[in-house]
Amino acid sequence: GQSLEQPSEVTAVEGAIVQINCTYQTSGFYGLSWYQQHDGGAPTFLSYNALDGLEETGRFSSFLSRSDSYGYLLLQELQMKDSASYFCAVKNDYKLSFGAGTTVTVRA
Amino acid sequence: NAGVTQTPKFQVLKTGQSMTLQCAQDMNHEYMSWYRQDPGMGLRLIHYSVGAGITDQGEVPNGYNVSRSTTEDFPLRLLSAAPSQTSVYFCASTHIQGGEQYFGPGTRLTVT
Repeated sequence: GQSLEQPSEVTAVEGAIVQINCTYQTSGFYGLSWYQQHDGGAPTFLSYNALDGLEETGRFSSFLSRSDSYGYLLLQELQMKDSASYFCAVKNDYKLSFGAGTTVTVRA
Repeated sequence: NAGVTQTPKFQVLKTGQSMTLQCAQDMNHEYMSWYRQDPGMGLRLIHYSVGAGITDQGEVPNGYNVSRSTTEDFPLRLLSAAPSQTSVYFCASTHIQGGEQYFGPGTRLTVT
């Protein structure tokens, strides 16, 4: 089976930087994804890392270390609209298995 | 493109009733899947399909059936609804080699 661990909550002020860590245990690992979900909405894709290293997309960056079974999502220049839940997900074979999610609260 | 569509958006069932949640995508994706989301538990995979005529079970398949007769459609059937199936259901699709899954807007199901 698969298991993923990520913090349940993070709170930060506008303009700050937040790092959400994700550790995983799985077989047949293909890659690590990150999704954002606002209250009442559907998950939306943020990033996918299949190889070790850092991927940057605007204010968000994602990192993967396959040897450590670890990744993180970095949210920079936090804005109020970034208040949401963030999920890491491992892709093995064709399937995605999700972590329980991290609720990020941005304060003014 | 409409992307991934789901119907209905909301549904209330009585225990023991059956129903079908509809999911369709117009992106010619091979892979489609159904998840349920309960508070504090993330998304759990119910069933998935890698192409027409091919389906398989995920983590929590009991009480649900699926079929995939076309590339576009992937309905989820609740055979005999139970209160434990009260949840938000999301359908998603992607290319098999892709890293990004596209999610539908969800169906909010309450079983009384």
